[in-house]
Amino acid sequence: GESVGLHLPTLSVQEGDNSIINCAYSNSASDYFIWYKQESGKGPQFIIDIRSNMDKRQGQRVTVLLNKTVKHLSLQIAATQPGDSAVYFCAENANSGYSTLTFGKGTMLLVSP
Amino acid sequence: DADVTQTPRNRITKTGKRIMLECSQTKGHDRMYWYRQDPGLGLRLIYYSFDVKDINKGEISDGYSVSRQAQAKFSLSLESAIPNQTALYFCATSDSGRTNYEQYFGPGTRLTVT
Repeated sequence: GESVGLHLPTLSVQEGDNSIINCAYSNSASDYFIWYKQESGKGPQFIIDIRSNMDKRQGQRVTVLLNKTVKHLSLQIAATQPGDSAVYFCAENANSGYSTLTFGKGTMLLVSP
Repeated sequence: DADVTQTPRNRITKTGKRIMLECSQTKGHDRMYWYRQDPGLGLRLIYYSFDVKDINKGEISDGYSVSRQAQAKFSLSLESAIPNQTALYFCATSDSGRTNYEQYFGPGTRLTVT
């Protein structure tokens, strides 16, 4: 899920497939992680979050997995729909006790019917 | 009605001009943030404010200033706009009373500096 230069990594899937979006985070001391979805022309919207004392958390059609050993976060979307097409950002709270978030560069998910 | 509003939504200005972007929220949150978004670079924090009397620089504060006029209002100023400040700007809020760090974003302001 890391970008290089100005080009967003892109994941293209078919409707109904499961999607997995990956993110490598930077700070081993981060204790909170969050996924946002950004549709074209809109601000980011919360999807799901997870604390560092957990390794998995499930929501409606979404699951976040946290692997602290390799500083890796993933977002799984089940039965992907065209409405899931958007840019997805992971973010970490790298300053424990402060509510600032450090965002990743994003991954674009394209869902074709 | 939107909980976090930004004005203007689009703005074109010339190099050297002073410009202000405004953010208002009705969520009752005490914390507010300004980010800029550039293609392929994600969201980068410019300034943040934990209450009316608290202002902090973020990752990329040079060339920007802010004012927290009230708990519900947080404005971002570009003192002398330059072309590389062309970007999408987002305001966000959060509640220090919550146990998570979720931030709520406005719809964004697209700024073009020519």
